[in-house]
Amino acid sequence: GAVVSQHPSWVICKSGTSVKIECRSLDFQATTMFWYRQFPKQSLMLMATSNEGSKATYEQGVEKDKFLINHASLTLSTLTVTSAHPEDSSFYICSASTPNEQFFGPGTRLTVL
Amino acid sequence: DAKTTQPPSMDCAEGRAANLPCNHSTISGNEYVYWYRQIHSQGPQYIIHGLKNNETNEMASLIITEDRKSSTLILPHATLRDTAVYYCIVNSAQKLVFGQGTRLTINP
Repeated sequence: GAVVSQHPSWVICKSGTSVKIECRSLDFQATTMFWYRQFPKQSLMLMATSNEGSKATYEQGVEKDKFLINHASLTLSTLTVTSAHPEDSSFYICSASTPNEQFFGPGTRLTVL
Repeated sequence: DAKTTQPPSMDCAEGRAANLPCNHSTISGNEYVYWYRQIHSQGPQYIIHGLKNNETNEMASLIITEDRKSSTLILPHATLRDTAVYYCIVNSAQKLVFGQGTRLTINP
């Protein structure tokens, strides 16, 4: 199947700093990418839908000014957690879609101290 | 998107078939049934999807009832590496909304 990578795989940062997470589709072009967040022992929660060259669409309750999404090319989307706080500590997962399938990245574990 | 209902947990012996049920009684005509699984601390892995007909691939089989209100994912010969949370999702667009899934434990 198609491969989606995320970088970094884990990150620890201080409260108040910003963290950027990259999501790349390695062997296909994805017009749409999705960002999810997963807290321990919970399911994945969709945060936003990202289309190449346009503004992301955020799910209800997700702050667009806090979670900045950039989808500059058909193979790269980035999520920046701005002014991170301990409650933002979570497992962030991206996915990239073709017309028929959606492929997930391995996830990025963010710990905010 | 239609909502799905899955048992929170199941156990299966290694080497036996694992049958995971999913109810989606409010599914509409253009919605597909997707199955993904998530092994601990990894991203979800696509397993299979279908619309009306039963489907089979190298990983699993998907049996969809004639009224499409429920489906069963079958792992024919479960191994310890199949231990994971299995998600049944129905949708017609690209956006996938995950429920709580079924935590499947394969026992030696």
